[in-house]
Amino acid sequence: ETGVTQTPRHLVMGMTNKKSLKCEQHLGHNAMYWYKQSAKKPLELMFVYSLEERVENNSVPSRFSPECPNSSHLFLHLHTLQPEDSALYLCASSQEPPLNNEQFFGPGTRLTVL
Amino acid sequence: RKEVEQDPGPFNVPEGATVAFNCTYSNSASQSFFWYRQDCRKEPKLLMSVYSSGNEDGRFTAQLNRASQYISLLIRDSKLSDSATYLCVVGRWGANNLFFGTGTRLTVIP
Repeated sequence: ETGVTQTPRHLVMGMTNKKSLKCEQHLGHNAMYWYKQSAKKPLELMFVYSLEERVENNSVPSRFSPECPNSSHLFLHLHTLQPEDSALYLCASSQEPPLNNEQFFGPGTRLTVL
Repeated sequence: RKEVEQDPGPFNVPEGATVAFNCTYSNSASQSFFWYRQDCRKEPKLLMSVYSSGNEDGRFTAQLNRASQYISLLIRDSKLSDSATYLCVVGRWGANNLFFGTGTRLTVIP
């Protein structure tokens, strides 16, 4: 496989469920990102990992919990979400330095919270 | 003030037309500039990087004006397949991420 992959592609969950989103990059990059994209809104950065260390946590509620076990994998653990958390969740990776290099995106997970 | 501002459009143009998108950025320390393209319900993909001297890739031309903190994208001879949202993206030294504009929606009409 090449590029950035994300699973699942679609997820429907209740407010009391716990689920995880998975991202894997096959590009040899050392930085990974989670973004949220809601309808008619710009991309919102959630978390940044560089060399497997979290370097940015953009005031994201604690019901979202990231995990980066190695430079190729990134998870987003979800629990007790709200309906307003329904959105497209995009994972991206890049090669750093610099920390402003172009990013490559996965296809996203479309999340619906009931 | 937003890091990156774009006209959201939509721009509806006939096939073959030339269309230009503009974008401004607020931080003069910005040092990397990109245009991304996002098709409906798909992920953003890099269209082209933007260099100080300006650059061209086929029908697409990108320009950067550092003095005015302004980036542009020109699409010549529009094709139906150019219909998408075009995202202006800026990076700056010391920031841990790129800054994305809200995107400009383009529809090319037959």
